[in-house]
Amino acid sequence: EVQLVESGGGLVQPGGSLKLSCAASGFTFSGSAMHWVRQASGKGLEWVGRIRSKANSYATAYAASVKGRFTISRDDSKNTAYLQMNSLKTEDTAVYYCTRHGGDEFDYWGQGTLVTVSS
Amino acid sequence: QSALTQPASVSGSPGQSITISCTGTSSDVGGYNYVSWYQQHPGKAPKLMIYEVSNRPSGVSNRFSGSKSGNTASLTISGLQAEDEADYYCSSYTSSSTRVFGTGTKVTVL
Repeated sequence: EVQLVESGGGLVQPGGSLKLSCAASGFTFSGSAMHWVRQASGKGLEWVGRIRSKANSYATAYAASVKGRFTISRDDSKNTAYLQMNSLKTEDTAVYYCTRHGGDEFDYWGQGTLVTVSS
Repeated sequence: QSALTQPASVSGSPGQSITISCTGTSSDVGGYNYVSWYQQHPGKAPKLMIYEVSNRPSGVSNRFSGSKSGNTASLTISGLQAEDEADYYCSSYTSSSTRVFGTGTKVTVL
């Protein structure tokens, strides 16, 4: 059974940093691209970014709204993807989901972790 | 990259069919057959319903179908049921090698 479990969310002040983790199981993690998607309360889904597999040089891509502030990485030995968030803004407050890249869609999702940016 | 445009809400009676549109540009929806649809119930993670415009994952009811014409993709739910009441989002690959979601549609079963 495929499982994705996010952790690391919490309350952080504006300008601060936070690192989210996404622990994967039930599939060949090293061969899969992983994405992060966020959702502010009462709002729609927003794609944050992705990291490809080693075979694709661990290439990353980001939404314009987070580029230069967020960094996605992975540790295939731990079956875990990460989202390092720096220079956080109040508008980054959201539930953050990690999701697996299937054929060309997001086929499995975690339960999400809440990040609140507030003073 | 602007969000794809979806109607804010669509409603129908049990047994009826409804269609949700998802309009983008030639740089996303119109340029690739990589449109997918997601169902999200309140407080839950999204669930994949349609991938690559019109394919259904195993376990998804055949009441759900997808199509695309030009820059607009569509999700049709036939034989509407109470359990279909949820938010629905489309998503597309883009020419920048990124992804974009639609604005979301709330489906209400009357």
